[in-house]
Amino acid sequence: ETAVFQTPNYHVTQVGNEVSFNCKQTLGHDTMYWYKQDSKKLLKIMFSYNNKQLIVNETVPRRFSPQSSDKAHLNLRIKSVEPEDSAVYLCASSHRGNYAEQFFGPGTRLTVL
Amino acid sequence: GDQVEQSPSALSLHEGTDSALRCNFTTTMRSVQWFRQNSRGSLISLFYLASGTKENGRLKSAFDSKERRYSTLHIRDAQLEDSGTYFCAAEESSGSWQLIFGSGTQLTVMP
Repeated sequence: ETAVFQTPNYHVTQVGNEVSFNCKQTLGHDTMYWYKQDSKKLLKIMFSYNNKQLIVNETVPRRFSPQSSDKAHLNLRIKSVEPEDSAVYLCASSHRGNYAEQFFGPGTRLTVL
Repeated sequence: GDQVEQSPSALSLHEGTDSALRCNFTTTMRSVQWFRQNSRGSLISLFYLASGTKENGRLKSAFDSKERRYSTLHIRDAQLEDSGTYFCAAEESSGSWQLIFGSGTQLTVMP
């Protein structure tokens, strides 16, 4: 099956803990993304990454960092979670270059107590 | 202000009726993508357009090729399974590859 896979589906943690979410795509794409969807369902880009370039949304706190081992994987690490980090985190991938359709994973729902 | 303005925010339709969703962009966009988010939270890609129109079954989407500042999603003969949240998302012409999302349309189709 070719798709974008995310683990875990859900994660509950306490303020100050470190968490890491995994994303893998088997679509042969070379660019991956992380988006955050808040409680009002608003979706915003956090990072886009391929093997040459990382683009960071300037509003993303520094406790968030993407981690990639190869072009099929882009994990998201949060060093010390805050209550406002509670959200659904969506991973996506596409081909690099012009006119690239993005495909999304099912998301990871984070709850920070 | 928001770069992608989506309307309406909520829409109720009876089965068998037609309607349209719209997204306006405050700047020229390279491409637009329409999604439906199901009850599990998965974002399903419906259309990707760099220009012109595309049609798939009862759904049709258009992206203004001249100004590149608005897009529409038409739903024909609405069915119960069409219920969900629909998002448009656009890529800026600067080519950052990043999608800017509209705020979504909550569609409810009633018997």
